[in-house]
Amino acid sequence: EAQVTQNPRYLITVTGKKLTVTCSQNMNHEYMSWYRQDPGLGLRQIYYSMNVEVTDKGDVPEGYKVSRKEKRNFPLILESPSPNQTSLYFCASSSLISGSPQETQYFGPGTRLLVL
Amino acid sequence: SQQGEEDPQALSIQEGENATMNCSYKTSINNLQWYRQNSGRGLVHLILIRSNEREKHSGRLRVTLDTSKKSSSLLITASRAADTASYFCATAPAGSYQLTFGKGTKLSVIP
Repeated sequence: EAQVTQNPRYLITVTGKKLTVTCSQNMNHEYMSWYRQDPGLGLRQIYYSMNVEVTDKGDVPEGYKVSRKEKRNFPLILESPSPNQTSLYFCASSSLISGSPQETQYFGPGTRLLVL
Repeated sequence: SQQGEEDPQALSIQEGENATMNCSYKTSINNLQWYRQNSGRGLVHLILIRSNEREKHSGRLRVTLDTSKKSSSLLITASRAADTASYFCATAPAGSYQLTFGKGTKLSVIP
C-alpha cells in the first residue's frame, strides 16, 4: 500500500530536549516536505527536499532542521524545542513531473507535539 | 507565505444540499489543488486543476478556475454527512517549488 508514515504520532516533551520526528514514504517520490498546522493559520511549510541531499527552507524554518540521506526518509529535527513549536506536524511527498514537485501531495497521518 | 484564502471559513448545510467553497490567490499559478481533512487527520488530495483548465469534475466534485480573477471554487453536490470535514485549497505558484495552503473552510453537513 502506498503510504507516508510518521513516528511518533503523539509526543510530549520539555523545552530544550532534542527530538526527531521520522517520515518515510514507499512511493519512490523525489519530493518530500514538512508542514505544521496551527489553529487559524492553516498549513505552513517548514522545509522541503527535491531529492537526496537537496533541501531548502519553506516559510517557517526557524528552530527546525532536516536531512535527506535516503530517498524514502525525511526526518524533522528539533534541536532545542520551545513551547511555540507545539503544533500538529505533517510530512508529505510527491513525484516530480517535468521537474516540478507541485503535483498531488500524499500526506502522512500527522504528529501531534506538545512542548512544555 | 500563504497565498490561497478560502471563503467562507465555515459552512453548515443540510444533507442533500450543495456546498460551495471559494479560494482566492494572489500570484500566477501552475495549478490549484483541493484537499480534504477530517478532524486532526492527514490531508487527502481531492482534485487538481491546471492553469490552462477552466473546469474539472470528479464524482460529486466540481472545480472551476478563473485565472483572470485569481479564484477557484469547489462544489460538492448532494452532500452527505460523511462530507463533514475541512477543505483546503493549495496553490502552486509559477516559478516556485512550493505548494502554499489556505486556512481552510470547515464544512458541516447535518443529517
